[in-house]
Amino acid sequence: EAGVAQSPRYKIIEKRQSVAFWCNPISGHATLYWYQQILGQGPKLLIQFQNNGVVDDSQLPKDRFSAERLKGVDSTLKIQPAKLEDSAVYLCASSLDLGTGVYNEQFFGPGTRLTVL
Amino acid sequence: AQKITQTQPGMFVQEKEAVTLDCTYDTSDQSYGLFWYKQPSSGEMIFLIYQGSYDEQNATEGRYSLNFQKARKSANLVISASQLGDSAMYFCAMREGYAGGFKTIFGAGTRLFVKA
Repeated sequence: EAGVAQSPRYKIIEKRQSVAFWCNPISGHATLYWYQQILGQGPKLLIQFQNNGVVDDSQLPKDRFSAERLKGVDSTLKIQPAKLEDSAVYLCASSLDLGTGVYNEQFFGPGTRLTVL
Repeated sequence: AQKITQTQPGMFVQEKEAVTLDCTYDTSDQSYGLFWYKQPSSGEMIFLIYQGSYDEQNATEGRYSLNFQKARKSANLVISASQLGDSAMYFCAMREGYAGGFKTIFGAGTRLFVKA
């Protein structure tokens, strides 16, 4: 079974530029998550999709970040314009369950390491 | 207040010995879940073990066991017979409900170094 795929693996941009990340979850997984992991910290949830609907985007900086999951499969996360503090690893995860209970096994991709200069 | 606290930024263990990684959590919910994930240098987080707040027995998965002490709000991970491949970051996480649904919150992690 193929895992969660993410691209690109690395991205270096200058501040105020735009960037987009792509994620393809495990086939059949209903729920998709985007996390931001700043160096030295644990992952922080940015947005959670259930199929193609947004369940939780309370920690997404909506003035510059946007995400979509068209057709309930793959997803893109965009930053426009980027700031220095956006330098982080962006992790995508998916889960078979709907994310509506305390048990929730998430499968993570390798992440995209973003450096903003 | 921190929801998940991992007080050990780094830990060393000799190969084949056991090691305990500490995790304390803060919640007022009765129903919650506790997780441990491993993050090798390749970057992806790997699910290791789960403990539900109502589970009476400590969870075990192969060489991993979770020492769950509910009254103390601690959920320490025990790795037995450490292997060189266990060198990685380890994250404790808690999943609890809120008005909008459920959310998983991660601690800052502990980096484990296994020495040959």
